[in-house]
Amino acid sequence: GQQVMQIPQYQHVQEGEDFTTYCNSSTTLSNIQWYKQRPGGHPVFLIQLVKSGEVKKQKRLTFQFGEAKKNSSLHITATQTTDVGTYFCAGGTSGTYKYIFGTGTRLKVLA
Amino acid sequence: NAGVTQTPKFRILKIGQSMTLQCTQDMNHNYMYWYRQDPGMGLKLIYYSVGAGITDKGEVPNGYNVSRSTTEDFPLRLELAAPSQTSVYFCASSLSGARVRDGYTFGSGTRLTVV
Repeated sequence: GQQVMQIPQYQHVQEGEDFTTYCNSSTTLSNIQWYKQRPGGHPVFLIQLVKSGEVKKQKRLTFQFGEAKKNSSLHITATQTTDVGTYFCAGGTSGTYKYIFGTGTRLKVLA
Repeated sequence: NAGVTQTPKFRILKIGQSMTLQCTQDMNHNYMYWYRQDPGMGLKLIYYSVGAGITDKGEVPNGYNVSRSTTEDFPLRLELAAPSQTSVYFCASSLSGARVRDGYTFGSGTRLTVV
């Protein structure tokens, strides 16, 4: 079945450093979503990418969707302690009603 | 708007007991989902529903059952609880599934321990 993997699994950064997480799907996706889950909390929707090669920005966060629509990345510039949490990608495929979530990247920011 | 409401927030079950996790949403979303998240892990889809009266299995349906009699409610039933079902259960809803540009709205979760 479809699998969505993320790397790295964990990342510790000093506050102010940049952070990137990568998402790779075993199948071609129709779209991809990104979520953030704070420790002890629930996932919160951040953004959706649909087009091949699409790049979207939200303040310090930059999201990319690969040309082949099988991978994606989330880059955070100048991390802050409020960025702490686990970031999940979720891949959607044509004709389905559900997303398959990636394994997640847990980010810890050291002040 | 309350969004997606899950009850209970915490529960301890003994092996072999049964329970129903409740999920209700007030956003008139057609699509609803149940995920489980084991400690330090990602989300695994248990069951989903595309509308009242329609449900389908996800990645890990064994040991669970669902029903969708109304648009608002999507309860998850655990029969004969086992330690392997110790997890955090999240209910989610969306307006249109995986087709257009809306994300899932998640409930705050139910933390279940089976002992």
